[in-house]
Amino acid sequence: AQSVTQPDIHITVSEGASLELRCNYSYGATPYLFWYVQSPGQGLQLLLKYFSGDTLVQGIKGFEAEFKRSQSSFNLRKPSVHWSDAAEYFCAVGGSGGGFKTIFGAGTRLFVKA
Amino acid sequence: NAGVTQTPKFRVLKTGQSMTLLCAQDMNHEYMYWYRQDPGMGLRLIHYSVGEGTTAKGEVPDGYNVSRLKKQNFLLGLESAAPSQTSVYFCASSSHATGTGLSGANVLTFGAGSRLTVL
Repeated sequence: AQSVTQPDIHITVSEGASLELRCNYSYGATPYLFWYVQSPGQGLQLLLKYFSGDTLVQGIKGFEAEFKRSQSSFNLRKPSVHWSDAAEYFCAVGGSGGGFKTIFGAGTRLFVKA
Repeated sequence: NAGVTQTPKFRVLKTGQSMTLLCAQDMNHEYMYWYRQDPGMGLRLIHYSVGEGTTAKGEVPDGYNVSRLKKQNFLLGLESAAPSQTSVYFCASSSHATGTGLSGANVLTFGAGSRLTVL
């Protein structure tokens, strides 16, 4: 069955500290992988995506993610967190041909402390 | 650039009432989607459309109907609201697949959400 697992429901990091959000997926075909961010009261915004090629992808706001096929993982990282990064982060996996194949994880809420 | 606009943003209904959520996009996207978001469950696809005049069921379609009479609009209807439909609803859209450039069809642009409470 196709699924996305985000093991951490919430994470708290200090401002300036590094961040890693975990994502594991199960998908029968070659996956398209995404990270979306949702600020309070807002819709989801694409942070980055992986379709093929270099397994380390760069996104907006200084985020990056690494696709590891052997581990079925697509973890999101940021070297130095800012208070404005506090939000909920969703990992998603999909296939070719349309967004209706996209499956979302349950999300990880990030808290940033001063 | 408005992107995806949802109306209304908030609504309270009584059990058994009906309502329609409207989604409008100005990006000329072929694909449109309705999701619901519930705590701890991420986003679940209700219905989607791959073009004007077409609709299809997603993961959780029961109790909802949709229509796509115009390319830019996608309506979500609840004929008889139930408390289990209390949720935040998100509309999204994506461009169509073109040759090897399938990436556009998979990147979703979301609206700001509509919070529905059914009493």
